Amino acid sequence: GNSVTQMEGPVTLSEEAFLTINCTYTATGYPSLFWYVQYPGEGLQLLLKATKADDKGSNKGFEATYRKETTSFHLEKGSVQVSDSAVYFCALSPNAGNMLTFGGGTRLMVKP
Amino acid sequence: ETGVTQSPTHLIKTRGQQVTLRCSSQSGHNTVSWYQQALGQGPQFIFQYYREEENGRGNFPPRFSGLQFPNYSSELNVNALELDDSALYLCASSLSGVINYGYTFGSGTRLTVV
Repeated sequence: GNSVTQMEGPVTLSEEAFLTINCTYTATGYPSLFWYVQYPGEGLQLLLKATKADDKGSNKGFEATYRKETTSFHLEKGSVQVSDSAVYFCALSPNAGNMLTFGGGTRLMVKP
Repeated sequence: ETGVTQSPTHLIKTRGQQVTLRCSSQSGHNTVSWYQQALGQGPQFIFQYYREEENGRGNFPPRFSGLQFPNYSSELNVNALELDDSALYLCASSLSGVINYGYTFGSGTRLTVV
């Protein structure tokens, strides 16, 4: 079956530091890959996505590249802000359906 | 364009009771999915509804059931509540045929079973 593995948190960084959150997946075929963000007390918001190998998703300074050879979709940001503090979820979906399989989430805490 | 709205926002129930959670889809979306998010974990897929029929189900027992109405709103029903059912329940709407591009999540219903 499909599965997503993320690095465990919390990840604590100082403002303007570089961020990497690792995500690897197991799936048959060629799934679409996503990063979602969840702020305290809120639902999930789509941060970025990639639908085929070597695609790079980007949004709000965050980037992730679909690496089929390493089955990875690591999230990066060059300079984090306090407002980026949230829980980040990596997810995949088979192209044939809409069901999302999520990783366990990584909490990011950015200190001023 | 309205987003996905869920009600109630919080709910406390006793073990063995039944609960109904409600979701209004984003305008223009015709597919609704429900997810269970236990504390500190990622969301788990419960089921999806399209054209008022169940269109995919995760590893959840039959006491989890749902409905989708002609206006694409949806209900999640859980019978014989157990303590482990305590979680945040998320509803997500999308447009069938547009692969995952249109997933919009609601803010969720926090269910506590005591």
